[in-house]
Amino acid sequence: QKEVEQNSGPLSVPEGAIASLNCTYSDRGSQSFFWYRQYSGKSPELIMSIYSNGDKEDGRFTAQLNKASQYVSLLIRDSQPSDSATYLCAVGPGGSNYKLTFGKGTLLTVNP
Amino acid sequence: EAGVVQSPRYKIIEKKQPVAFWCNPISGHNTLYWYLQNLGQGPELLIRYENEEAVDDSQLPKDRFSAERLKGVDSTLKIQPAELGDSAVYLCASSFPTGGGADTQYFGPGTRLTVL
Repeated sequence: QKEVEQNSGPLSVPEGAIASLNCTYSDRGSQSFFWYRQYSGKSPELIMSIYSNGDKEDGRFTAQLNKASQYVSLLIRDSQPSDSATYLCAVGPGGSNYKLTFGKGTLLTVNP
Repeated sequence: EAGVVQSPRYKIIEKKQPVAFWCNPISGHNTLYWYLQNLGQGPELLIRYENEEAVDDSQLPKDRFSAERLKGVDSTLKIQPAELGDSAVYLCASSFPTGGGADTQYFGPGTRLTVL
């Protein structure tokens, strides 16, 4: 059973702070990693994808991947109240298998 | 570019009744997914289509759930008969294969089903 674990939160940070969201996965063969943002009552929206060890930056968002530790994280710099949402970590295998396994998500609240 | 379209957005039915959900993927996306999302959980894959072929339906409860994608574009997911435990959000997603590994999936707005 492939598992993706996330702290359910809520994670509360003040506006302007760095929010750090973490995710661990059980399948060592995983090759594709995604972070989705989901506002309450809305569908998941892709934030970042990462495939190689190290950091990937996109604006205020940085994804970090460590395959040896089976760990992926998302950092949100200069957090804004509009970043308040549930963040879903999704992990996919390599090759031609496109099945993603999602974590339960971490609820982030950014306080003004 | 239009996103993934789903209808209806909300559906309330009584248990044992049938229900159907419709999805139109992003133009050019030949991979289509149906997910189920319960409150406080991540999406769980029900079925994946490559064009009109269901290539992964291992998580689809086939006794009551069925799906089709006859022309490789639009798809319909049906539940018959619905049970109380089927109350959830049904999400459709689509992706375009770029080769090697999981491709980026784009989600539709979902259908929130309530079974009374």
